Amino acid sequence: GEDVEQSLFLSVREGDSSVINCTYTDSSSTYLYWYKQEPGAGLQLLTYIFSNMDMKQDQRLTVLLNKKDKHLSLRIADTQTGDSAIYFCAESITGNTPLVFGKGTRLSVIA
Amino acid sequence: DAGVTQSPTHLIKTRGQQVTLRCSPKSGHDTVSWYQQALGQGPQFIFQYYEEEERQRGNFPDRFSGHQFPNYSSELNVNALLLGDSALYLCASSPPGTGTILGYTFGSGTRLTVV
Repeated sequence: GEDVEQSLFLSVREGDSSVINCTYTDSSSTYLYWYKQEPGAGLQLLTYIFSNMDMKQDQRLTVLLNKKDKHLSLRIADTQTGDSAIYFCAESITGNTPLVFGKGTRLSVIA
Repeated sequence: DAGVTQSPTHLIKTRGQQVTLRCSPKSGHDTVSWYQQALGQGPQFIFQYYEEEERQRGNFPDRFSGHQFPNYSSELNVNALLLGDSALYLCASSPPGTGTILGYTFGSGTRLTVV
């Protein structure tokens, strides 16, 4: 079955890089996503990667995918206090099948 | 341009009661998906509505039902509430022609507390 695992907490200093890790079990997952959730707000899609890619960069965000180990990471460069939030890793088998989320990683940025 | 609107934002119900949550999709969107997010957990897929029909369903009991109206808005109904139904209920809409998660826009959710 599908399962997505994430570490629950991460604390970094402002200006440092943050790396949030995720492992998934379904090798048929084609799409992998990173969502951000701030208090009182819905989920915001930050970035995504297709399973035929190894890396994707989008401004301060870098996503790395290791398909062999079923490992996904999100690197946030120059982390700011506004990046403090819960970050969810999610997968879907196709672009139309439901998302399967991890439990989320709470990122705290210390000024 | 309004995004996804959910109502109410918060509500408290008693065990055994029934509840209806509402979602208005983003303008131009025709597909609505519902997710349940328990405290400290990631969201879990409940079901998806398209053309007023339930198109996909997650692993939720029949106590959870839904409806989509001709204007694409949607309701989530939960009967015989249990304490374990306490959660944030998220609605996501997506536009025609994609139906894909990349087009998802999430609402801010309805926080349901069952006492």
